[in-house]
Amino acid sequence: DQQVKQNSPSLSVQEGRISILNCDYTNSMFDYFLWYKKYPAEGPTFLISISSIKDKNEDGRFTVFLNKSAKHLSLHIVPSQPGDSAVYFCAASVTGNQFYFGTGTSLTVIP
Amino acid sequence: NAGVTQTPKFQVLKTGQSMTLQCAQDMNHNSMYWYRQDPGMGLRLIYYSASEGTTDKGEVPNGYNVSRLNKREFSLRLESAAPSQTSVYFCASSGDVFQIYNNEQFFGPGTRLTVL
Repeated sequence: DQQVKQNSPSLSVQEGRISILNCDYTNSMFDYFLWYKKYPAEGPTFLISISSIKDKNEDGRFTVFLNKSAKHLSLHIVPSQPGDSAVYFCAASVTGNQFYFGTGTSLTVIP
Repeated sequence: NAGVTQTPKFQVLKTGQSMTLQCAQDMNHNSMYWYRQDPGMGLRLIYYSASEGTTDKGEVPNGYNVSRLNKREFSLRLESAAPSQTSVYFCASSGDVFQIYNNEQFFGPGTRLTVL
């Protein structure tokens, strides 16, 4: 059973607008969450992370929000750029244990 | 600095054939991992090696074996390939096993395997 879910397989956004990618999880023991970005024919690359002691983490244009009560996290990209077009995976772990990945959301940023 | 490299990039096998997927990293990482990615399933951990000389099962280990040849290399072997093993396989490495601060997992480019 998927412990980490990304219910939107794809998302299209105009360049300059905000992209919001969502992720839900079922295991309340997860205490660390990550987002990876993947271009075609390449491996995933780490983008941003958040610990369960925080509800927000920013890195440039990327912000991750965590709502522990709803078991939900989201990745905001502002402003979106064509180079952001990729598949985004969220992942979660209990500290010191394996990461569980979502199924991915394919983001297309339209110029 | 090549990071994590995988060979081959593509492979087609017949049911019952065997093959070994190779992975090497040049970042002096202690821990290495093998994942598979299937449509609608995300990435799932097959096996991992916390350090040289140790290996452990992940979420989906059945049908696979691994060898941590040295600190740099971690291979994945399919002894008798099945169509259900058609997938994209990713190798990854990190400084410490399931390390979560300052150094997330670094992934290779993947091997696309088809079993007929």
